[in-house]
Amino acid sequence: ETGVTQTPRHLVMGMTNKKSLKCEQHLGHNAMYWYKQSAKKPLELMFVYNFKEQTENNSVPSRFSPECPNSSHLFLHLHTLQPEDSALYLCASSLLAGGSTDTQYFGPGTRLTVL
Amino acid sequence: QKEVEQNSGPLSVPEGAIASLNCTYSDRGSQSFFWYRQYSGKSPELIMSIYSNGDKEDGRFTAQLNKASQYVSLLIRDSQPSDSATYLCAVSGGGADGLTFGKGTHLIIQP
Repeated sequence: ETGVTQTPRHLVMGMTNKKSLKCEQHLGHNAMYWYKQSAKKPLELMFVYNFKEQTENNSVPSRFSPECPNSSHLFLHLHTLQPEDSALYLCASSLLAGGSTDTQYFGPGTRLTVL
Repeated sequence: QKEVEQNSGPLSVPEGAIASLNCTYSDRGSQSFFWYRQYSGKSPELIMSIYSNGDKEDGRFTAQLNKASQYVSLLIRDSQPSDSATYLCAVSGGGADGLTFGKGTHLIIQP
C-alpha cells in the first residue's frame, strides 16, 4: 500500500465505548498529525508528532488520547466521547514538521458517529 | 490566534473560464502556504504549495502570494466540471505546529 491509510473508515460508537483509530504512512515521513473536520467548520489541528515526539496538543479534551509508537504509525484512542465529537478524523504526514518540508499528505479519514 | 479567511461561496464559474479563489491570513510570520482540493466525502488533496512572493504555475493552476498584504490566491484556467469541489487554503508558521486551515471555498463549474 502507498500513501497514508486509515482504519476504520467508518465507526459508530456509544458514549461509554472505547475505540481506537489507526493511521499508517508509507511515505518515509517523520511527522504525523491528527485533524478533526466538523460540518461547516475549518479543519482543526488536534495533535502533532515529530520523530515520535508530541510537539503540539491543540487544547484537545483528554477523552482523545494519541499514541505514536514509531514514525509510520499513529493512533487516536477514544473514550467517553460526546455526540458533538462526531466528525471526520483525518490523519496526515509530512517529511518533517515545519518549514519547506511540512507539505502534508492526508489519509482518507475515519467518519466517526457518537450516539 | 492564527486565522485564515476564505469566502465560503458558492463560487459559480462557467466551464472554460478562469476561477479565482482568495485567502487572507492573520499571522505575519507565516512561511508556507498551501491549496488543497476536497471533494464531498473525501479527504483534502494537495494542489499547490508556495513559499515566496509572486506566482507559481503548475499546469492549469497558478498560486499567487503577497506577504505584504497577507494574501494568497489560486487561479484555475480553463475550468472543468471536475474542478467543482471545496478549495482549502492552509498556512504554516514554519514551526512544528501543523497547518491552520480556512473554512474553504465551494467552487461550482457550470457546464
